[in-house]
Amino acid sequence: ETGVTQSPTHLIKTRGQQVTLRCSSQSGHNTVSWYQQALGQGPQFIFQYYREEENGRGNFPPRFSGLQFPNYSSELNVNALELDDSALYLCASTQGGGAGETQYFGPGTRLLVL
Amino acid sequence: SQQGEEDPQALSIQEGENATMNCSYKTSINNLQWYRQNSGRGLVHLILIRSNEREKHSGRLRVTLDTSKKSSSLLITASRAADTASYFCATDFMGSTLGRLYFGRGTQLTVWP
Repeated sequence: ETGVTQSPTHLIKTRGQQVTLRCSSQSGHNTVSWYQQALGQGPQFIFQYYREEENGRGNFPPRFSGLQFPNYSSELNVNALELDDSALYLCASTQGGGAGETQYFGPGTRLLVL
Repeated sequence: SQQGEEDPQALSIQEGENATMNCSYKTSINNLQWYRQNSGRGLVHLILIRSNEREKHSGRLRVTLDTSKKSSSLLITASRAADTASYFCATDFMGSTLGRLYFGRGTQLTVWP
């Protein structure tokens, strides 16, 4: 186990709704990254939070937003859900936020948008 | 867009055989990592190899990196049924200070008892 937890495990929403996913990072880690993994694909980087600030963003629209809290846990919010948002959402934590660090992944939240 | 690409897409072997998966990438990197994923669950980190390293071992795993060919390979020796999973390589970009990883589509490994 990596010590990274995510909730909920599964979620079903309808198009147009909003969703919040949660991630608790490994103890001592101050950086959380979020990834989206569509079926049959590799994970795609959404954004990263380092010490409560967004530290980098992938090619995702603004309706994907996030937060990091003082205890370094994090939330991913998605507004105006679309069918293509159906995917496994993974968070990963690391120490330091920079390149070259091993990222430890949580078990993921599987989101289905109907 | 995908930075890395694993080959083959699927690999089926018998227990006890060795499994070799390859990864090619497009631009220069700082590091390359291999991850395993069981049945669409979370990713498990296997090995990180830095751009100035050529080979690393961890238990039954051996990873090589050839930066001139922009490629890496993962060898699993004496495979077990429990090794059945998807395997992904993940890279960053040389000079990047951001811990963003770029993943390929993965190799689905099936090990038959």
